[in-house]
Amino acid sequence: AQSVTQLDSHVSVSEGTPVLLRCNYSSSYSPSLFWYVQHPNKGLQLLLKYTSAATLVKGINGFEAEFKKSETSFHLTKPSAHMSDAAEYFCVVSSYNTNAGKSTFGDGTTLTVKP
Amino acid sequence: DADVTQTPRNRITKTGKRIMLECSQTKGHDRMYWYRQDPGLGLRLIYYSFDVKDINKGEISDGYSVSRQAQAKFSLSLESAIPNQTALYFCATALSGDTGELFFGEGSRLTVL
Repeated sequence: AQSVTQLDSHVSVSEGTPVLLRCNYSSSYSPSLFWYVQHPNKGLQLLLKYTSAATLVKGINGFEAEFKKSETSFHLTKPSAHMSDAAEYFCVVSSYNTNAGKSTFGDGTTLTVKP
Repeated sequence: DADVTQTPRNRITKTGKRIMLECSQTKGHDRMYWYRQDPGLGLRLIYYSFDVKDINKGEISDGYSVSRQAQAKFSLSLESAIPNQTALYFCATALSGDTGELFFGEGSRLTVL
């Protein structure tokens, strides 16, 4: 069984300030973890992924996330928000390396960036 | 051209009508998925297929059916649409043996009146 909890449904930051989007997961297997971004009226795009290699993962557009097994967390961060970062973000846990091969999505966090 | 193409992108229909959403991909992936997105609920899995002869129910399959016509094509049908099936539907693909990364289409917005 697996699940993912995004701890904030909405996050609002000012342009140029840090971004933190929080994600906790549970998994019966060694998980793969992902962050996807969805801009309005668009499909989902991969930001970054953790697949049991380095625990600090760097993604596109300056985002990064750290896999912390002891805390079962995979929080997404960015040092300085840009207006174009305003979007919805999804944390995903996957049992891909099992026969189940399914992904479970968090409910999403809407990021607002104020000028 | 997009690697994962969904048609139609937008559809308005009436209760009781049969609707088909189509998905085709040029990525050569063997795994295909249909998800539904509702505000505040993330994406929920409707059906998935690991190859042409393999179809599996997801967490919310009631009221839906699928067909995997070829490795590159995966269609979702609503036999008799109802208003609570109004949602944004996404097709996604993945490759066996890869990391589990999903590749999404642009989505099909369905409104059932």
